[in-house]
This record gives sequence, C-alpha cells and structure tokens, in this order.
Amino acid sequence: KAGVTQTPRYLIKTRGQQVTLSCSPISGHRSVSWYQQTPGQGLQFLFEYFSETQRNKGNFPGRFSGRQFSNSRSEMNVSTLELGDSALYLCASSLNRGTVNGNEQFFGPGTRLTVL
Amino acid sequence: AQSVTQLDSHVSVSEGTPVLLRCNYSSSYSPSLFWYVQHPNKGLQLLLKYTSAATLVKGINGFEAEFKKSETSFHLTKPSAHMSDAAEYFCVVRRRSSNTGKLIFGQGTTLQVKP
Repeated sequence: KAGVTQTPRYLIKTRGQQVTLSCSPISGHRSVSWYQQTPGQGLQFLFEYFSETQRNKGNFPGRFSGRQFSNSRSEMNVSTLELGDSALYLCASSLNRGTVNGNEQFFGPGTRLTVL
Repeated sequence: AQSVTQLDSHVSVSEGTPVLLRCNYSSSYSPSLFWYVQHPNKGLQLLLKYTSAATLVKGINGFEAEFKKSETSFHLTKPSAHMSDAAEYFCVVRRRSSNTGKLIFGQGTTLQVKP
C-alpha cells in the first residue's frame, strides 16, 4: 500500500506570494492533519480535516488555510508569504477521526518551503 | 492542557552501548504517548506507542519505553545502539479519548552514534 505522498517536495517562493501544498493520504484513510516544522518552534499542529470538514485548528494566523476533498486528498494554502513561513510542512493521515481505536497517524516526507 | 519536555536536546553514544532518551509529559487528561523518529530529509516514523495497556511498550528496531505515571515520564531506551539509529527523536503526547487526533510534540532529541 502506498504511503502518504506530498507534492511538491521542495518549493522556493518570495515574500508576498502565496503557495499551495498538496497531500494524498494512504488509501482508505479519511483524516488528514498538517504540521509545521521549524528549527526554532519545532513541530506545531496546523489543522486537521475529516470528511471534508476542518475539525481542529492550531494557533496560526488566517493566512494559513486548508481544505479536504471528497477523495480525502488535502491541500493547504499560505497567502502573503513571510520569511518566517520557511519550514518543512508535514502531512499525516489516519484511518478515522480523533483517537478512535488508537488511530495511528502516518506521516508523509514533507514539503520543504523556502521563502526568500 | 498537554505538553512534553524532552530533557536532552542532544545525546551522543558509542555504537553497541545503551541508549536513553528522556521525556516528561504533562496532561490534564489521560494521555496516549508516542515516540517518533525522523531521519534526515525524511518524514516521521512511529517507533512505539502507549495507549492504556502494558506500561512497558516494545517498538520497532529494538526500542522500548516505559510509562511511569507517578514520575510523568516516558523514557525511550535501547540496549545496544546501531549506527543507523542516528536521527532525531520526538516524544509526543495526545489526549487518549478525543474527537481530535492532534499531536503535541516535544522539541526533539538528536541522537549521535559514534563508531
């Protein structure tokens, strides 16, 4: 079974631009979560989607948004990019919502975003 | 509220010697605890998890961790380090019964393995 895939793997943008990152979960998984990883702040939760609805959101500004499609694929968007948005963005998928039956999260390889 | 503190940002061991990565947690709710590993330019891989069963949890690649409620700790150990164990390790807490799967990560411990 294929794992979580994220595209693109690497991205370079300039301040003020916007960016869209994509995540395809493991087949059959219906929940997708996004995390930001930076050297200073570590790994921080961005948002969680299940059945095309955002179920939880982390403490990030409104420039960060996301959505989930009917096939469970998810995208996240960052508008008006700032230098501090440079990070590794990780997507994780799980079978169910929340912590039902353990509901382990499987991570993708991430998208490395560099903002110049 | 939940939080995780990894007590060492960097641990260095020689190949063949034991590994100890320390983690303390704080949780207002019954927690689930995890250890994830991240190799350079790779995603996160689950090593092991504690949900509510046995307090001594065995994971992949010879790692294990013990949940100690009285000490609010979940230290990761391995009897004998291998060169391939060099990576970043994250202790993670999550509310055990919840509608959200949100994970709270520690700051990470870099494990260096010397030949």
